[in-house]
Amino acid sequence: AQSVTQLDSQVPVFEEAPVELRCNYSSSVSVYLFWYVQYPNQGLQLLLKYLSGSTLVKSINGFEAEFNKSQTSFHLRKPSVHISDTAEYFCAVSQTNFGNEKLTFGTGTRLTIIP
Amino acid sequence: EAGVTQSPTHLIKTRGQQVTLRCSPISGHTSVYWYQQALGLGLQFLLWYDEGEERNRGNFPPRFSGRQFPNYSSELNVNALELEDSALYLCASSDGTFNTGELFFGEGSRLTVL
Repeated sequence: AQSVTQLDSQVPVFEEAPVELRCNYSSSVSVYLFWYVQYPNQGLQLLLKYLSGSTLVKSINGFEAEFNKSQTSFHLRKPSVHISDTAEYFCAVSQTNFGNEKLTFGTGTRLTIIP
Repeated sequence: EAGVTQSPTHLIKTRGQQVTLRCSPISGHTSVYWYQQALGLGLQFLLWYDEGEERNRGNFPPRFSGRQFPNYSSELNVNALELEDSALYLCASSDGTFNTGELFFGEGSRLTVL
């Protein structure tokens, strides 16, 4: 069985400060990794994904995440946050041999930007 | 291109009633997934339909059921509603060709059970 742990349920950050949202996973097989974002009163949107290749992946709005196999982590970072980044962020993992069947979400981290 | 659409957006029911939620996937997507997002519990996988068949279900009682129609739209039915069924129900779709776990979500149906 696989699992995802997001240790921080809430993260308050001042505007223009850096942020890191932590995600750790456990799986006995190879994985795909995702970060989804949920803005207030909306559904989830894919922010970025790691499928293969470069372990550092980036989104169009300045977020990046690095797949660290030895530490089984996929932390999300942004060097300077904006008010518009206020949202809930979900880390998710799926198994490469099952894909969509075995997509597991973490419990989410609520990012609050302080002006 | 239209995204995943869900209806109704909000509804209020009382204990013991039944509810039907609807979902239309992105055009060309054959797989539909249902998730429950209850307060503080993250996203819990409910059901997965592909090509009209139920492929997998999460750890939910049988009163949670659904179906997928020939046009790939889907319904989620919940019978004998309980207070703890209050949640945001999210539908997602995927292109079955790329089985990587990337899902496209609708904005959800918020169910309140009184």
